[in-house]
Amino acid sequence: EIVLTQSPGTLSLSPGERATLSCRTSQSVTRNYLAWYQQRSGQTPRLLIYDASSRATGIPDRFSGSGSGTDFTLTISRLEPEDFAVYYCQQYDDSPRTFGQGTKVEIK
Amino acid sequence: EVQLVESGGGLVQPGGSLRLSCAASGFTLKTYWMHWVRQAPGKGLVWVSRINDDGSSITYADSVKGRFTVSRDNAKNTLYLQMNSLRVEDTAVYYCVRDGVGSIPFDYWGQGTLVTVSS
Repeated sequence: EIVLTQSPGTLSLSPGERATLSCRTSQSVTRNYLAWYQQRSGQTPRLLIYDASSRATGIPDRFSGSGSGTDFTLTISRLEPEDFAVYYCQQYDDSPRTFGQGTKVEIK
Repeated sequence: EVQLVESGGGLVQPGGSLRLSCAASGFTLKTYWMHWVRQAPGKGLVWVSRINDDGSSITYADSVKGRFTVSRDNAKNTLYLQMNSLRVEDTAVYYCVRDGVGSIPFDYWGQGTLVTVSS
């Protein structure tokens, strides 16, 4: 199975700052089938990005995804208060559809 | 409005069984692949199982293979997860999740149902 490793584990930032989250896969995700999800405290995960760089419906443009092969990045250009949450990457190129362990973005 | 509503969770002893249901509304279930994803308390997301649109193709995570069975009744717009031989490590919130159109993955999630396996 494809193993996803997210870094850092925790990111401490202030509102208005830029957040850069990394996701590395153990094998190449050949069709760039890489997604990012946001999970706020006590809430259900929400799809943010799919196909590595496409924003899901209703997602603000401060969220962007990039990368290919084995290295992917989620960038939040300017953090809003509601963006402090846990973010997961997931590959859906191969079965099983594995998730990373998550990156927590917390208020500094 | 798309809605996925899980039910059937609860407290069960190790070795016991539970059947989870996921009622879908706001879309035609029979045209979508569906998944179960779980999340242990304070932990990350783990994919559990996938069933294709007509139920003819099913896959499971190794950790539940042979113990869990996913099924669907498209006429009733309902997805199921039969969980047997439950273990303490199966304790988690179980989410019913829809695969989107084309290459869009998990676009809608239910609120989840908590399964607690404990003696």
